[in-house]
Amino acid sequence: EDQVTQSPEALRLQEGESSSLNCSYTVSGLRGLFWYRQDPGKGPEFLFTLYSAGEEKEKERLKATLTKKESFLHITAPKPEDSATYLCAVRWSGGSYIPTFGRGTSLIVHP
Amino acid sequence: NAGVTQTPKFQVLKTGQSMTLQCAQDMNHEYMSWYRQDPGMGLRLIHYSVGAGITDQGEVPNGYNVSRSTTEDFPLRLLSAAPSQTSVYFCASSYSQSETYRGRKGYTFGSGTRLTVV
Repeated sequence: EDQVTQSPEALRLQEGESSSLNCSYTVSGLRGLFWYRQDPGKGPEFLFTLYSAGEEKEKERLKATLTKKESFLHITAPKPEDSATYLCAVRWSGGSYIPTFGRGTSLIVHP
Repeated sequence: NAGVTQTPKFQVLKTGQSMTLQCAQDMNHEYMSWYRQDPGMGLRLIHYSVGAGITDQGEVPNGYNVSRSTTEDFPLRLLSAAPSQTSVYFCASSYSQSETYRGRKGYTFGSGTRLTVV
């Protein structure tokens, strides 16, 4: 059983069509939930860190939120340049403080 | 530009050959790590280092060796390449595990090495 699960695996949106990506985790003792963006052929790029339930972070059209067992990455009025794979990683006290990554959500935004 | 540099970008090996993937960072980061990324599997940790002279195994260490003689460099060695090691390899670094915990910048990743073993 995966400790970090991302859904959906793939998402296709029209430009301007807002939606959310989900990251759920089963571990206890959260010490940080991280969101990364990965463009094809490139390494992941850090977006946000969340630490406690209720916390929110924003960057341009992206907003990350955290509850006790999941995080959402909300994309408001997306543009084609938001197309990428979005990765979630969870760091917890029982995992040697090394983040475990989910499998990612591939987002395609059509013009 | 400051960052994580990986070489080579592409490599094809024959089964049984050995090679070293290079990773260098110029940000004075203490923590460095190697991941492999396979379709549908996400990023899996191979080895990591919390400072010069200190290394440890991650989730999938078999068939790989590492050493950390300087703060800047963290090479990954494939001892005898196998087709199962065909993957994209990423090197990542951060100031320290505690800095990452305070959420300054997360990990900085290199651009990856695409390795094919035939």
